[in-house]
Amino acid sequence: QVQLQESGPGLVKPSETLSLTCSVSGYSLTSGYYWGWIRQPPGKGLEWIGSIYHYGTTYYNPSLKSRVTISVDTSKNQFSLNLYSATAADTAVYYCARDLAVAGPRYFDLWGRGTLVTVSS
Amino acid sequence: SYDLTQPPSVSVFPGHTATITCSGDKLGDRYACWYQQKPGQSPVLVIYQGNKRPSGIPERFSGSSSGSTATLTISGTQTMDEADYHCQAWDSGNAVFGGGTKLTVL
Repeated sequence: QVQLQESGPGLVKPSETLSLTCSVSGYSLTSGYYWGWIRQPPGKGLEWIGSIYHYGTTYYNPSLKSRVTISVDTSKNQFSLNLYSATAADTAVYYCARDLAVAGPRYFDLWGRGTLVTVSS
Repeated sequence: SYDLTQPPSVSVFPGHTATITCSGDKLGDRYACWYQQKPGQSPVLVIYQGNKRPSGIPERFSGSSSGSTATLTISGTQTMDEADYHCQAWDSGNAVFGGGTKLTVL
């Protein structure tokens, strides 16, 4: 059974870097698929941040592209998110998810439980 | 940028059919997905590639699309279906989500 688990600081100071890691169990990242990050500000809708293919090719939301890096560490079976120059507007629950592509457009079929990150001094 | 529009809220009586719409340019050609999200929980995929149900999702959930609108239909709605529902599609390699619809079962 494939499971995803987010981890990282729950509090980040403004202008600093928001860094999260998603640990994947039950599936080897080297075997394929895309893996993504999605966030949800309190009381608001979902926003895609970006996705990474297991080879390392990345795709980012154009509105965040200048501040985001997603990377994969196959030795640890993890992928990570770095969001630079954080502001209060980046306060949200951050989810990692499997971004599946099977015979058609991709979809997010498995999600982590999410982790709340607050940007505040 | 590509936008998806959902009604903020929809209400339905138990046992009746709930219909949640999602509108976007040529959305019918983009094979939308739908996610159910209950309070304090992660989203769960209920419909993918327009009209396909993942394993474990009840048959009362169905998806359809035409023109610029994708529709999630819940037949025989149960109280457990009360949740937020988010549509999602792809535009030029970018995932786009609608604003979400709160489904209330009266």
